[in-house]
Parts: sequence; structure tokens; C-alpha cells
Amino acid sequence: DIVMTQSPSSLAVSAGETVTINCKSSQSLLYSGNQKNYLAWYQQKPGQSPKLLIYWASTRQSGVPDRFIGSGSGTDFTLTISSVQAEDLAIYYCQQFFDTYTFGAGTKLELK
Amino acid sequence: QIQLVQSGPELKKPGESVRISCKASGYIFTDYAMNWVKQAPGDGLKWMGWINTQTGKPRHADDFEQRFVFSLETSASTAYMQINNLNIEDTAAYFCTRAKFGYWFAYWGQGTLVTVSS
Repeated sequence: DIVMTQSPSSLAVSAGETVTINCKSSQSLLYSGNQKNYLAWYQQKPGQSPKLLIYWASTRQSGVPDRFIGSGSGTDFTLTISSVQAEDLAIYYCQQFFDTYTFGAGTKLELK
Repeated sequence: QIQLVQSGPELKKPGESVRISCKASGYIFTDYAMNWVKQAPGDGLKWMGWINTQTGKPRHADDFEQRFVFSLETSASTAYMQINNLNIEDTAAYFCTRAKFGYWFAYWGQGTLVTVSS
């Protein structure tokens, strides 16, 4: 099974800051057949279902603000949130969909 | 619009069974597999498995075999998950979420909270 390791587990930020969340997979998520990375990012607020933010490691889902940026390839990926807003306080999960599905343990974004 | 609407919260005793429903609308039900995801209190997301909505064939994640039964009522565009022989560790929110095989989870149900307590 592919293991997804996220860091940090929590992050305290002030509004307007830029934050970076890291996600590492135990094997490459880059499929040679289409040169796409099978990695997605989700946001989950308390009491809500997860919301898809990014797929193919860097493609924003329709309606997601452009302050959410996904990057990386192979085994190392990053979600960057520029100019954090209060509404961005949530838990963020990475997920691989290269071989069935596995989620990272999550990163909780809190207010400093 | 695309919606996945799940059944309401359940309170069960250890050893009992529970069946959760997930009614899909706004798309062709058999065009997408239905996945199930567990979230224990204060914990992260765990993929439990999927059911092929065209064939009814399930695929379980390693930690979710035996007691977890995925089924369909295709005529009603509804997927079900039954958990047999419940134990305290099954207390969690359970989400259904649709996806084509090898793709991400763009649509989720609202979640069903199952509480197992004696």
C-alpha cells in the first residue's frame, strides 16, 4: 500500500500569511503513460464533508480560489495557501489515487 | 445538480448491525463507482473501499474486509454500506463519495454518524 506522510500536523498562522503543507508518498505517483501525478488535496472544515481543492497535483477544482496552489511531482508534493483568510482555517488532506486510495493524516491550520 | 444524500445518524449496541444509505442524483448512477470513507472522532480519513455500480462488484481496503458489506439498489440510484458485528471502534462518521476508477473524489455525501455504545 502507498503510504502518505503529511507535515506539519498543525500550523498556526495569521491572516495574510503564506503557508506551505507538505505531502510525501512512499512511491512515485507519476504515471509515465500520461505524465500526470495522481495526487489530490482536500479541505475539511468542522462538521463538514471534505472538499476537493486540487487534483493531478496542481489543477485547481472549479471555484477554488487561486490562492490555493498545488505543486510537486513524483513523491514530494506541496500545497501552498497564499494570503491565508479566516475562512481557510480547516484541516487539509493529501490523497493518492495512483493505486486505490490513501489519505495523509492531515494538517490542521489554526489561527495564531 | 449532483448530490449524494446519506441516511441519518445511528446509535447502536456492540454486536448489532447498521446499514447506511447514499442516494445519488443529478448524474447517471452507473457512470461512477461509489466509495466509502471512514472518519473516527478526531481522526483522519480512511478509504474503506468501493463498489462498481455497473457490476455490483466490491473492492475492500485491507482494514475493512469481512464485516463491511457494500451493495446497490441501482433502480433507486442508491448505494448501501452495512457494518456487521459492530464494535466501539466503529464509532465514526462514514461518507460516500463518487469517482471514476483512478480519479479523485469531487462529490461527497454529508456523512452519517454511527455511534456504538453499550
